[in-house]
Amino acid sequence: KNQVEQSPQSLIILEGKNCTLQCNYTVSPFSNLRWYKQDTGRGPVSLTIMTFSENTKSNGRYTATLDADTKQSSLHITASQLSDSASYICVVTDRGSTLGRLYFGRGTQLTVWP
Amino acid sequence: EADIYQTPRYLVIGTGKKITLECSQTMGHDKMYWYQQDPGMELHLIHYSYGVNSTEKGDLSSESTVSRIRTEHFPLTLESARPSHTSQYLCASSEYAQDLPASTDTQYFGPGTRLTVL
Repeated sequence: KNQVEQSPQSLIILEGKNCTLQCNYTVSPFSNLRWYKQDTGRGPVSLTIMTFSENTKSNGRYTATLDADTKQSSLHITASQLSDSASYICVVTDRGSTLGRLYFGRGTQLTVWP
Repeated sequence: EADIYQTPRYLVIGTGKKITLECSQTMGHDKMYWYQQDPGMELHLIHYSYGVNSTEKGDLSSESTVSRIRTEHFPLTLESARPSHTSQYLCASSEYAQDLPASTDTQYFGPGTRLTVL
């Protein structure tokens, strides 16, 4: 069973609008949570990383939040652009192994229309 | 943009062929990984390496093999390709520092190889 669930599965918004993507996880013990952006036909690129003690992190128009108590995270995109069209993947790391095992969500496919 | 490269980007081959997917990085990273990703699905770790002469199997069982003779190079080989191997293969690398928790390093991904086995 996937320990990282993302919603919605897909989302279409108009250019200039804001949107929020959700990530719920059950990974324990928790180490950190990352949001990656994956363009079609490309590898994922890291947007933000948050540890247990952080509850918000910004990277330009992207703002991630983390509630470690409820095991929920969100990624808010402000003033969307056509180039934001991509899959956004939530990745949670556990701290129970030397490697730091990563658990990947299936991603939210975002499409921004002009 | 990360300095990690994969070739070929796209490959269509027939059943039974032997193939090698190439992955190289110029960042001097010790840790390297291979993931398999099907459309709309999560990435699955199939192989990883801590450094030269180190290779380990990942979470997802795979008939592929890997080698790590040089730090910058981590090729993946399928001895006899089958249609079930059709997928996207992503290579990644990260820095390994003994004084840092292993779980805080960021993985940098290559562009991927889209493999189709007919």
